[in-house]
Amino acid sequence: GQNIDQPTEMTATEGAIVQINCTYQTSGFNGLFWYQQHAGEAPTFLSYNVLDGLEEKGRFSSFLSRSKGYSYLLLKELQMKDSASYLCAVRDQGTGFQKLVFGTGTRLLVSP
Amino acid sequence: DSGVTQTPKHLITATGQRVTLRCSPRSGDLSVYWYQQSLDQGLQFLIQYYNGEERAKGNILERFSAQQFPDLHSELNLSSLELGDSALYFCASSVGAGGGNEQFFGPGTRLTVL
Repeated sequence: GQNIDQPTEMTATEGAIVQINCTYQTSGFNGLFWYQQHAGEAPTFLSYNVLDGLEEKGRFSSFLSRSKGYSYLLLKELQMKDSASYLCAVRDQGTGFQKLVFGTGTRLLVSP
Repeated sequence: DSGVTQTPKHLITATGQRVTLRCSPRSGDLSVYWYQQSLDQGLQFLIQYYNGEERAKGNILERFSAQQFPDLHSELNLSSLELGDSALYFCASSVGAGGGNEQFFGPGTRLTVL
């Protein structure tokens, strides 16, 4: 089976840095995605990690440690528009088919 | 705009009824995925089709079924609706068959069962 854990909610102030953690347990790990989702809208792709280490993409970075079953999304220079839910999703191949398993998401509130 | 379209945007119906949700993938994408998102459950994978054939199955109820047509659009059929089926239903598409390819999500259909 699969289990993905993220904090339910986080708050931060504009201009700050925030780190959103994700831990996972899966039988056939084959990559991890981060998606951003504004309320009532579709998720949009942020990053993808399949090897250990840090992937940087502008203000957003994502880190993966496969041995620890751990990832984080780092958001720098926070802006009000970054208030959204951040979904961690694991590519799982445990059942023979690859599929994405999503965590319940972390709701980030950025205040002025 | 992801390039994935879904209709209708909103749907209100009664318990026991049947509805059909429609999805057109991005041009060139062969895979279509269906997800259900309710307030307390997060995004739940339902089913994937690749080039017309079922590719992977998640937590899809027996009352739900889907298909992908030769023009690659897909429909999700929900029958004997219950109050708990009220949710946002997203369709996503990707180029390849592997469920881990980057998926592009449509705007969703909000289903309300009264």
